Amino acid sequence: NAGVTQTPKFQVLKTGQSMTLQCAQDMNHNSMYWYRQDPGMGLRLIYYSASEGTTDKGEVPNGYNVSRLNKREFSLRLESAAPSQTSVYFCASRGLNRENIQYFGAGTRLSVL
Amino acid sequence: LAKTTQPISMDSYEGQEVNITCSHNNIATNDYITWYQQFPSQGPRFIIQGYKTKVTNEVASLFIPADRKSSTLSLPRVSLSDTAVYYCLVGAYGGSQGNLIFGKGTKLSVKP
Repeated sequence: NAGVTQTPKFQVLKTGQSMTLQCAQDMNHNSMYWYRQDPGMGLRLIYYSASEGTTDKGEVPNGYNVSRLNKREFSLRLESAAPSQTSVYFCASRGLNRENIQYFGAGTRLSVL
Repeated sequence: LAKTTQPISMDSYEGQEVNITCSHNNIATNDYITWYQQFPSQGPRFIIQGYKTKVTNEVASLFIPADRKSSTLSLPRVSLSDTAVYYCLVGAYGGSQGNLIFGKGTKLSVKP
């Protein structure tokens, strides 16, 4: 059982480049989340999707877009990367019929030069 | 949405009991309290969850007073492998509420 899978694990971009971070879960969860974590900081919510077909902004959505492709997949896109987006990105999912326990992926480490 | 306040860091020695307190003064009636553990270079993982009084599992205990405005995570007899960041989170039970806010967490350092 893979749980939450994120790809890629590492990525280096130049300022202005675009990329999409992929996330997939195999637990049939309804809700999915994207967080970023900067050195020495907690997790900050970028976007979330409470259910398939819906997305909502979190604390720090500027510079990002998301797509809930289907129930399994939730992608995060950086249209024009900036050095301030250098961070570790975590995807998480949560089921509907459980308490609010989130299951996290291993993270994507992104550097924008 | 209820926000949380935790100590930034704590130090302990192997074999000691560690108690980490989280304040959540504006917790809502239907909010649960959940604690996560995060090791370096890994995503957070669930430790324990509770609504009121005391909850215990094989890893930790969670104490919640009657007013629910705070909670205490208790780690018995910590070892070096318990060195991690611990996050307290409050949010609604079940449903489809998506916006769950993490605080900055408490960095626990366990020394030999």
